[in-house]
Amino acid sequence: DTAVSQTPKYLVTQMGNDKSIKCEQNLGHDTMYWYKQDSKKFLKIMFSYNNKELIINETVPNRFSPKSPDKAHLNLHINSLELGDSAVYFCASSVGETQYFGPGTRLLVL
Amino acid sequence: AQTVTQSQPEMSVQEAETVTLSCTYDTSENNYYLFWYKQPPSRQMILVIRQEAYKQQNATENRFSVNFQKAAKSFSLKISDSQLGDTAMYFCAFMKPQGGSEKLVFGKGTKLTVNP
Repeated sequence: DTAVSQTPKYLVTQMGNDKSIKCEQNLGHDTMYWYKQDSKKFLKIMFSYNNKELIINETVPNRFSPKSPDKAHLNLHINSLELGDSAVYFCASSVGETQYFGPGTRLLVL
Repeated sequence: AQTVTQSQPEMSVQEAETVTLSCTYDTSENNYYLFWYKQPPSRQMILVIRQEAYKQQNATENRFSVNFQKAAKSFSLKISDSQLGDTAMYFCAFMKPQGGSEKLVFGKGTKLTVNP
């Protein structure tokens, strides 16, 4: 009965690699988001999609590419990973103004 | 651009006592939403309470209540009868309705420790 799920929960990888994080929601929401939480716990929006259409792109490097195959899924692909990409990435979905978050994916780039 | 300020990086409280976490925000909007999210050590972001700016009545959810002062742009969270499970990071967040392109703007968080 998980509402917003993310895989994997942990991801350890080397600099320069390409990796993906998957997100799925079973709430029937139209809008999904990616947020980044840095090492100081600061949370910031990266992207939002509404019905598979990109709505928000918050000056994120183009190494980050979201993809929404359908409105229940929003995946995040990261190319050429850098040390500074180490963070926790949260997926969220919303109906109206309330956003519901996934459990987060902790990415560590070595 | 909207900003959210949480001036207390860390706080502690004894179990069963009451604690208030502060949040101020800056906006020129008249219609917006405010939220408190809790992030326990498990990392999960949990919605605690939300407030609609056009509602004068302060929101309440069980032991959690807010003091919303629109003119002062202040949105504090009061936790009554604190429990050990309330130990967590608490984030205040602002959202402006934008017809499908809403985003949460977060403060930097307050780390709350409830002591036995």
